[in-house]
Amino acid sequence: QVQLVQSGAEVKKPGASVKVSCKVSGYTLTELSMHWVRQAPGKGLEWMGGFDPEDGETIYAQKFQGRVTMTEDTSTDTAYMELSSLRSEDTAVYYCATMNGYSSGWFDYWGQGTLVTVSS
Amino acid sequence: DIQMTQSPSSLSASVGDRVTITCRASQGISNYLAWYQQKPGKVPKLLIYAASTLQSGVPSRFSGSGSGTDFTLTISSLQPEDVATYYCQKYNSAPFTFGPGTKVDIK
Repeated sequence: QVQLVQSGAEVKKPGASVKVSCKVSGYTLTELSMHWVRQAPGKGLEWMGGFDPEDGETIYAQKFQGRVTMTEDTSTDTAYMELSSLRSEDTAVYYCATMNGYSSGWFDYWGQGTLVTVSS
Repeated sequence: DIQMTQSPSSLSASVGDRVTITCRASQGISNYLAWYQQKPGKVPKLLIYAASTLQSGVPSRFSGSGSGTDFTLTISSLQPEDVATYYCQKYNSAPFTFGPGTKVDIK
């Protein structure tokens, strides 16, 4: 059974960066395809990007290209999502989620979510 | 990119009613579709994948169907614990877009 535990809530000022972590247990990170999904208050789910183990590349939604970086530390089985140049519209709950499959699949395990608030 | 739409955006039904939610893809995605349930304040939960395969542990009153561009999620007998927002998601290829959601509550 995969368990994903995310870092705690963050408050950031506009223009700053935030780095959210997602610690894996039950499996090793190398066995998983980790993705990130966010949800603004009262809004729907938005896929941000994730790792494709088949070609070893991280793929990002076009909307976040140039502003988001997803990395993995396999020594600690921890995935990270860093979002830069924050604006108020980035206020959201950020989830890590594992994809069942390599290059494509559904999201079967989810972290508990990390609330990021962007406010001056 | 393929766009996902859902209808209705919200619905209110009585306990025991049959509820149907529709999801439509702007291009064919075969059966590469998943459904998620998100209860208020909770993490999304996978209900169905491959358009019609029930995730382990999900009650059998939930079912999915469809292929290509048109999909449905059916709750055969609505229960109070089914109050939630339901999202479809395409996963044939990136971007792995979600539908806008359908909010279900009890009349």
